[in-house]
Amino acid sequence: GENVEQHPSTLSVQEGDSAVIKCTYSDSASNYFPWYKQELGKGPQLIIDIRSNVGEKKDQRIAVTLNKTAKHFSLHITETQPEDSAVYFCAAKSGGTSYGKLTFGQGTILTVHP
Amino acid sequence: DAGVIQSPRHEVTEMGQEVTLRCKPISGHDYLFWYRQTMMRGLELLIYFNNNVPIDDSGMPEDRFSAKMPNASFSTLKIQPSEPRDSAVYFCASRRTDTQYFGPGTRLTVL
Repeated sequence: GENVEQHPSTLSVQEGDSAVIKCTYSDSASNYFPWYKQELGKGPQLIIDIRSNVGEKKDQRIAVTLNKTAKHFSLHITETQPEDSAVYFCAAKSGGTSYGKLTFGQGTILTVHP
Repeated sequence: DAGVIQSPRHEVTEMGQEVTLRCKPISGHDYLFWYRQTMMRGLELLIYFNNNVPIDDSGMPEDRFSAKMPNASFSTLKIQPSEPRDSAVYFCASRRTDTQYFGPGTRLTVL
């Protein structure tokens, strides 16, 4: 089945700096890669996603890049703000017999210091 | 749209008791997922349904766990009997297209 590895597990930045979180996946048939933000006491919320036919997608201060050949994708947050502090999860939607199922990375705790 | 609704939000019970968690997916969504989240194991998929039919229950930890989806607007996850190691946050999620939406979760504590 699919395996998703996420790094780093914790990331601490100063307000205004950029933050980058990286994920690798194993199933070359995976075709959908969402990123979720989870704040304390809440469920994960989708912040951006990318499909396998696109190399990059941007939404204001966040962007995601996908390298299908290397099977890795990354989340980029620019001009970070304290409210960006949360746990971020990457995920990959598998193809084949696991169609429909998301496999999640282990999460990255992002702390933005004012 | 109200989003995915879960109840109760918090549940404290004693070891050996039966626990039932409830989920109402977003209207029109044909996939429903149950996850468990702990610090040690992260976010684990327990089971998922498509059009009310269980598709993959390989993540259900043991026979004490069962899930049902009697109709498109309701699902339950039952633990009987509960054990302290079942303490976790349980999330329900639903989707129609690729985008998956999570509920607020149920925090379960088994004493």
